[in-house]
Amino acid sequence: NAGVMQNPRHLVRRRGQEARLRCSPVKGHSHVYWYRQLPEEGLKFMVYLQKENIIDESGMPKERFSAEFPKEGPSILRIQQVVRGDSAAYFCASSPVGADIQYFGAGTRLSVL
Amino acid sequence: KNEVEQSPQNLTAQEGEFITINCSYSVGISALHWLQQHPGGGIVSLFMLSSGKKKHGRLIATINIQEKHSSLHITASHPRDSAVYICAAPNTGNQFYFGTGTSLTVIP
Repeated sequence: NAGVMQNPRHLVRRRGQEARLRCSPVKGHSHVYWYRQLPEEGLKFMVYLQKENIIDESGMPKERFSAEFPKEGPSILRIQQVVRGDSAAYFCASSPVGADIQYFGAGTRLSVL
Repeated sequence: KNEVEQSPQNLTAQEGEFITINCSYSVGISALHWLQQHPGGGIVSLFMLSSGKKKHGRLIATINIQEKHSSLHITASHPRDSAVYICAAPNTGNQFYFGTGTSLTVIP
């Protein structure tokens, strides 16, 4: 069984470009979570999605960031017009319905030049 | 004040030493997680526990729900245990509150 797959592992963007981070959850998991880890800081919750629904986006910056989890395909975290402060590791986790445990992906390291 | 507090922040130990990392939380939870983040950055879930004690190899995790406190112990520590250990508490909305992590270095 494949675990949570995130790609790309490393992403380099110039200021003003768009970054798209993809997350394929564990097969059968319908809940996806995105977390951000800024350099030298701990993990912070960003958004919680179920298929085709955003359940909680209280941790998402108000502008430039969006997330989706379509009926088919991976979850996408999209950052428009990236700035240097967006440089971080972005982790995705998934869980099945009704479970507390979350399975983490290896993360995508975004570097904004 | 953070919902989840860990101590110590940094820990250096000699190979073979017994190690304890502590986690206190202020939110009401049904279970607590211990995560390990490797130097390369990947995260592995070590334990999820809601009561008592769990053991996996040289790792032992305990939780006291009444006192809102959990500990992670490593027996006979080894340099390959060097990593950041993170305590995480899910709230009712399925978000995680994370501790800031304990950076462990085990010296041969």
